[in-house]
Amino acid sequence: QKEVEQDPGPLSVPEGAIVSLNCTYSNSAFQYFMWYRQYSRKGPELLMYTYSSGNKEDGRFTAQVDKSSKYISLFIRDSQPSDSATYLCAISQGAQKLVFGQGTRLTINP
Amino acid sequence: ETGVTQSPTHLIKTRGQQVTLRCSSQSGHNTVSWYQQALGQGPQFIFQYYREEENGRGNFPPRFSGLQFPNYSSELNVNALELDDSALYLCASSKRDPGGNEQFFGPGTRLTVL
Repeated sequence: QKEVEQDPGPLSVPEGAIVSLNCTYSNSAFQYFMWYRQYSRKGPELLMYTYSSGNKEDGRFTAQVDKSSKYISLFIRDSQPSDSATYLCAISQGAQKLVFGQGTRLTINP
Repeated sequence: ETGVTQSPTHLIKTRGQQVTLRCSSQSGHNTVSWYQQALGQGPQFIFQYYREEENGRGNFPPRFSGLQFPNYSSELNVNALELDDSALYLCASSKRDPGGNEQFFGPGTRLTVL
């Protein structure tokens, strides 16, 4: 069993839709949760960072963590074509390694 | 504020050769982590350097080695290259003592092994 599971998609939605991206994890020791956005042939860009259960909002993005279910989500409101990218969840226990999901490939259609 | 930079951008090597990849960390950061990202996969942790010492290692063989310099820049060395080493190599910098685990990535070096 992988430490972090993420549906690879691809996911295709119309412009303006609400997008929901999800990951599950197996190790309850994980305590830091991140979402990265990666455009083709580029490095991952940190979107959201949280270390507690609950919601964190930043503009059109909301990160949700449910430690009891070992489930994290990223919601994108009013999606734009420029949001088309691969979204990676990443989880860690401390200051060392990040454990990544496989990434979900998202396309927003104009 | 200068972000994370990596060099070279692309590299083509043949099996059995050795390669050195370079990374300059973001201003104010003291920790560098290296990741390997195969096509269509998430990045896999190789190792981390903090205070010029290896501080954690993933499931990679000893032919993957690294260095961190006093200015916090870092090198990743791979010996005896294999075809499966073809991937995007990512460097991420972060700030410890104090700091959390927010890691900021560079653009990567794309390595092709023929």
